This record gives sequence, C-alpha cells and structure tokens, in this order.
Amino acid sequence: GENVEQHPSTLSVQEGDSAVIKCTYSDSASNYFPWYKQELGKRPQLIIDIRSNVGEKKDQRIAVTLNKTAKHFSLHITETQPEDSAVYFCAARWAGGAAGNKLTFGGGTRVLVKP
Amino acid sequence: KAGVTQTPRYLIKTRGQQVTLSCSPISGHRSVSWYQQTPGQGLQFLFEYFSETQRNKGNFPGRFSGRQFSNSRSEMNVSTLELGDSALYLCASSYDSGQGTAFFGQGTRLTVV
Repeated sequence: GENVEQHPSTLSVQEGDSAVIKCTYSDSASNYFPWYKQELGKRPQLIIDIRSNVGEKKDQRIAVTLNKTAKHFSLHITETQPEDSAVYFCAARWAGGAAGNKLTFGGGTRVLVKP
Repeated sequence: KAGVTQTPRYLIKTRGQQVTLSCSPISGHRSVSWYQQTPGQGLQFLFEYFSETQRNKGNFPGRFSGRQFSNSRSEMNVSTLELGDSALYLCASSYDSGQGTAFFGQGTRLTVV
C-alpha cells in the first residue's frame, strides 16, 4: 500500500522566516496530496491541496510543490507568524481501484514560530 | 453550512466494553471516512463508507466496525476494548468518493481504562 514519509518531525523558525516541510510517497498511482494543519486540541484543517496534474499551487503565504517523477511534495510557508505554530500533516490519496477517499498521512511536523 | 459533527466529544470506557461513536457529515456529503489518531502511530485510516456501503478498510482488527445510514450519518463501533484503543477518533466528510476534499470533525477522545 501507499506509504508517506514526512520531514522534519519538528521545525522551529523565527517569526518572519520561511518554513519548508517535505513529504515523499511510494505509490506513483497517488494523484491527490492535501496538507492539514492541526492546532492543539482541534481538528485537522485543510490548508492547501494539489492534484497530480499540477506542479505548484499558491494561496497567500502558503504554497505546495509536487515532483511526480521524484514522488515528493513540499509545503512552503513564507513570512511565518506565531499563529502558524501547529502540527502539519501531509497526505496522499491513491487513485487506483477501490481506493475511494482513503488518505495515507505522513507522521506530522510540529512547527514552532518564535516571536 | 454546518461542519462535520462528532458525538460524543469524550468517552471513558473500561477494558472489555464496547463503544459506539457517531459522525454527521456536512449536508450533501455522501462519503464518511474514519481515522484513528495516536501519538505513536499518527493518523491511520480505519474505513470509508459511501452510499451506505463500506468502500475501503484499513489495517485494523475486526473489533472495529462501522456503518452508514441513508442520511449519510455514520457510526463506528469498537468491541472488546483494549487499552491500546485509547485515541482520538476522527471522521472526515467528503462530497464524493475518490474525488472530494475531506473535512474533519473535531473528533471523539476515547480513553480506555
């Protein structure tokens, strides 16, 4: 089955700096890659997603890039703010057969933005 | 539009008991997926229900089961609870199966003592 690895597991940045989180996936048949942000005690919230027919997508300070050949995708947060502090999860959805909406998640990255 | 609603928010059960968790998806959404979140194993897929049928199942023992009703509300059941079942159980709602964005509920925190 699909396997998603996420690095780093923790990331500490100074406010205003950029943060980059990287994920690799194993199954080339995966075609949808969402990113979720989970604050302490709260639900995971979708912050951005990308489909396999797109190489890059931006939404204000957040961007995601996808390299299908290398099977990796990355989340970029620019001009980080203290409210960006949270755990971020990448995920992959396999497109084949009866995969449906099954998401395989990376292990998460705890981001701390220091004021 | 109301979001995904899970009940109850918190549960404390004893080993050997069984538990039922409920998830009401966003109105119009027909797919409900369940995930288990633990510090050690992260977010793991349990199963997905779409149009009252189980669409896919993760790698969990048969003690974990679920169902979906005609109004798309879903329940998951865990029988013969073990200490290791303590976790945050999250459901995710999508409009369709295999194409839609997944929106998560706030979860049910299950503690097994």
